[in-house]
Amino acid sequence: GNSVTQMEGPVTLSEEAFLTINCTYTATGYPSLFWYVQYPGEGLQLLLKATKADDKGSNKGFEATYRKETTSFHLEKGSVQVSDSAVYFCASGGGGTSYGKLTFGQGTILTVHP
Amino acid sequence: KAGVTQTPRYLIKTRGQQVTLSCSPISGHRSVSWYQQTPGQGLQFLFEYFSETQRNKGNFPGRFSGRQFSNSRSEMNVSTLELGDSALYLCASSPGGLNTGELFFGEGSRLTVL
Repeated sequence: GNSVTQMEGPVTLSEEAFLTINCTYTATGYPSLFWYVQYPGEGLQLLLKATKADDKGSNKGFEATYRKETTSFHLEKGSVQVSDSAVYFCASGGGGTSYGKLTFGQGTILTVHP
Repeated sequence: KAGVTQTPRYLIKTRGQQVTLSCSPISGHRSVSWYQQTPGQGLQFLFEYFSETQRNKGNFPGRFSGRQFSNSRSEMNVSTLELGDSALYLCASSPGGLNTGELFFGEGSRLTVL
């Protein structure tokens, strides 16, 4: 079956530091890939997505590139802010017969200090 | 546009009881998915409904069931509750059809089983 593996957390950074959260996936076929974010006290929301190999998703300064050769979708941001503190989830799925079924990674807690 | 609304937000039950959770999707969205979120297992897919039909099902026992009404609102039911059913239950909606996997999540219903 499909699976998504995220780097172990939690991750603690100082403001303006560079962020990388690793994500790798296994899947049959070519799923879409997503990063979802869960801010404190809020529901999950889509941060960015990529639907095919070599696509780059970007939003709010975050970027991730769909790498088929390494089955990866690492999340990066050049300069994090305190407001980026949240839990980040990598996910695969969508399309084909997957419809609303996504496979999520375990989540990575990010804390950014001033 | 109102977001995904889940009720109740919090509830406490005892072992052996049953519970029904409700989800109102974003207006115009025809697909509703349900996920269970726990610290140990992370986010796990329960099932998805589209136009009142179950379109996908996760790997949960038959105690977990759901349905969707003609107005796209959905309910999920858990019978004979166990301690391990304590979790945050998330509902997500999407327009449906050829789903790209972009889901819009509610804030969840937090179930505690004593």
